[in-house]
Amino acid sequence: SYEMTQPPSVSVSPGQTASITCSGDKLGNKFVSWYQQRPGQSPLLVIYKDFERPSGVPERFSGSNSGNTATLTISGTQPMDEADYYCQAWDSSTVVFGGGTKLTVL
Amino acid sequence: QITLKESGPTLVKPTQTLTLTCTFSGFSLRTPGVGVGWIRQPPGKALEWLALIYWDDDTRYRPSLNNRLTITKDTPKNQVVLKMTNMDPVDTATYFCVHRQDGHCTPTSCFFEDWGQGTLVTVSS
Repeated sequence: SYEMTQPPSVSVSPGQTASITCSGDKLGNKFVSWYQQRPGQSPLLVIYKDFERPSGVPERFSGSNSGNTATLTISGTQPMDEADYYCQAWDSSTVVFGGGTKLTVL
Repeated sequence: QITLKESGPTLVKPTQTLTLTCTFSGFSLRTPGVGVGWIRQPPGKALEWLALIYWDDDTRYRPSLNNRLTITKDTPKNQVVLKMTNMDPVDTATYFCVHRQDGHCTPTSCFFEDWGQGTLVTVSS
């Protein structure tokens, strides 16, 4: 089965840029989505089709995908961005999620 | 405004069958392109997709759980029901109902715009 790997944790200082990666075999050939999950809340779609942003999601969230790695970038990270982030794709008729990355803003 | 709400038992015994209902508003499963699914999350762990059902009655299941899962829809009631047989303590998780409106999941499009609040199901004797 297809696997996507994320770093367990990423730390960033307020106002700096955070990058969260998601790796998988030929991931660049698939479209990747990203979800933000704050503690005790449901996941929220923040990026779809690699780089598209749903309405209401701040412009500081952006995405890219090439080769074997997709990246979620948060520019000017704010304390409210502290959350778990999950990448997701579709492979062989299956929805696949990465293991999640805990973003700490300190 | 789209809302989804999960309902069902909070506690089930091992070997029992879990039945969860997703009641939604703001969209219809009569509309082409609409899909409703289930995703779960064990405490402190990652998200895990379970099943999808589409406006055209097409269904998809997680392969490793395929023989335990059944997803159905009641279009007039705006409900989707998930049944999972032979429950085990490892199935303890928060179960989320999700919505997409971009057609069948494909490698070029598979994302979930809306999520319910989730319901925690504990499996214990």
